Parts: sequence; structure tokens; C-alpha cells
Amino acid sequence: AQKITQTQPGMFVQEKEAVTLDCTYDTSDPSYGLFWYKQPSSGEMIFLIYQGSYDQQNATEGRYSLNFQKARKSANLVISASQLGDSAMYFCAMREAITGNQFYFGTGTSLTVIP
Amino acid sequence: DAMVIQNPRYQVTQFGKPVTLSCSQTLNHNVMYWYQQKSSQAPKLLFHYYDKDFNNEADTPDNFQSRRPNTSFCFLDIRSPGLGDAAMYLCATSRGLGQGGQTGELFFGEGSRLTVL
Repeated sequence: AQKITQTQPGMFVQEKEAVTLDCTYDTSDPSYGLFWYKQPSSGEMIFLIYQGSYDQQNATEGRYSLNFQKARKSANLVISASQLGDSAMYFCAMREAITGNQFYFGTGTSLTVIP
Repeated sequence: DAMVIQNPRYQVTQFGKPVTLSCSQTLNHNVMYWYQQKSSQAPKLLFHYYDKDFNNEADTPDNFQSRRPNTSFCFLDIRSPGLGDAAMYLCATSRGLGQGGQTGELFFGEGSRLTVL
């Protein structure tokens, strides 16, 4: 079974609008971390936001927020007020405490911001 | 300041000609990773080091080798590159269990893009 599932290969959003990128995960470990990375066309992987499994509140970092629904095992990334520079690939990833050093990546979502 | 540095950023090699990619870090993280990423795909883990302990993924071809002479440096050697090895190679680091980093994030370098002619 896939550890991380991203079901949206491509998404489009109008500039200044909000967009949600979906991510579901599969683990039986009670201790885990969820991460979102942005990869622009230049290729660099940029860390955006982190959510710990024991965190009571949804993580936020500037225009990025994580809609964490633990019972549903989903960790959707919300980007508010989209900018042209947000056009990139977005990867959801998970790290489990039990496996320690392994990071599991989803297949990514390509986001295009339309002017 | 860059914390994970990869060299070279771009490497062109001929079919079968060995290549070495390097990665250095200033974060003092005890885990270092090498990922291969092909166009529009997720990064694929080749192997990682926890300190000096080498962990190879089961499906990593023997053509790929790695060395970690010290905490700061890690090398990826591709002994006989084939056309299918053309990809972006990403080095990353993270805090390991001993550094209290069960859920710490990956820090990536800018990548080395390999072209095989």
C-alpha cells in the first residue's frame, strides 16, 4: 500500500485565489511527521510546512496552512492568495518514528497559477 | 547561507564513463540521503547513511555506490552511467533519532543534474 497518496496530478488556480492540494497517508505508527515541499522548475526542493502527529493545532507558515484531519489520515496543503511564483510541483511526505530515517514521498501535484 | 551544497550543479558524461557527485553539509546532521529524481516524478531514495552506517534500498542498482568519509561529506558514484541514469540527483540531510529528530524535516541541496550522452 502507498504510504502517501496525492490524487491530483495537476491543478490550476487563479492568481490571488486560495487552493487546496490533497494528501492522504497510511501509517500505524502513532508518532509521525508530515511535510510539504515545493519544487520549482529549477529543481530545488523547498521545505514549506510541517505537522506532527501529536500537534493539536493545524500548522501555519505565512500563506501556507496544513489542514490536518488525523482520523481521516489527510494532510492537505492550503495556499492562500496564490501568486505566480507558486507555480511548481508540490510533494507531500511523511516520516515515521518507528522507521526513523525513512521519508515517504507522494507522486506530487503540479500547480499552475493563472494570471 | 547554503547548508547542503552539491557539486557540480550540472554534469554531462558519456555513456559508461564514471561520474562522482558530491554533497557537503554544515548542519552536523547525522543522516545523509541520496535521491534520484526523473522528470515529473517523486524523488526515489537510492540509499542513506546514519552516521557511518550505510543503508541501501533493495532496488538500487549496483551501478550506484556511495561513500561518506566524514559527517560533512557524502559522495555518489555512478560506475557506468547508462542513458536511463540521466536524472536530477538530490542530496539531503536530516537529524537522526540520536539527535532527537524523529520527525525533523529533510534539508535538500540544489541538486546535480546529470546528462548522459
